[in-house]
Amino acid sequence: GQQVMQIPQYQHVQEGEDFTTYCNSSTTLSNIQWYKQRPGGHPVFLIQLVKSGEVKKQKRLTFQFGEAKKNSSLHITATQTTDVGTYFCSHSGGSNYKLTFGKGTLLTVNP
Amino acid sequence: DAGVIQSPRHEVTEMGQEVTLRCKPISGHNSLFWYRQTMMRGLELLIYFNNNVPIDDSGMPEDRFSAKMPNASFSTLKIQPSEPRDSAVYFCASSTGLAGLGEQFFGPGTRLTVL
Repeated sequence: GQQVMQIPQYQHVQEGEDFTTYCNSSTTLSNIQWYKQRPGGHPVFLIQLVKSGEVKKQKRLTFQFGEAKKNSSLHITATQTTDVGTYFCSHSGGSNYKLTFGKGTLLTVNP
Repeated sequence: DAGVIQSPRHEVTEMGQEVTLRCKPISGHNSLFWYRQTMMRGLELLIYFNNNVPIDDSGMPEDRFSAKMPNASFSTLKIQPSEPRDSAVYFCASSTGLAGLGEQFFGPGTRLTVL
């Protein structure tokens, strides 16, 4: 299936700083999903993007799908300790709509 | 709603033993997924079912792994014989959408250790 690359792999910030993680593909994606996994927990769905240039907001989180539908970003404004976890992008494609996850970005927040 | 239920939550076994992981999806969901998560390989889709029928099992590592979904409320993932490299967290997820489209609800996972 189509691979998605996530960067950075790790990010450590001070509480109150902003954070952005990127998801990139060499081919056009029909959709992007974002999940969050707390340490020791399970992935929890955040959002799905399907339209070119789409931007969605959830409180301090802003999700964007690129115009060419080859990249996506998740931006967190003024991080809090509750934002700690691994953020995964995923996409569904191919004849069987198989879901493929990126390797994730681990965010740690220093209070 | 109890969410996706997985059992056992933890399993420690010895190499060569059979391991069976169980999953009860959310009622009304017609797609069920089995994932494996390790530090090295990340989150990998092993197999998924739609309406109890296996749709894509290309992620199943080898013949030692098998999965069944005898009805809409139950699925199993079996490893026989188990090997130390099978040690991982195994997640089951379910959704109402087709395959990976839309929100998937993950269970708490089964942490498997093969000695």
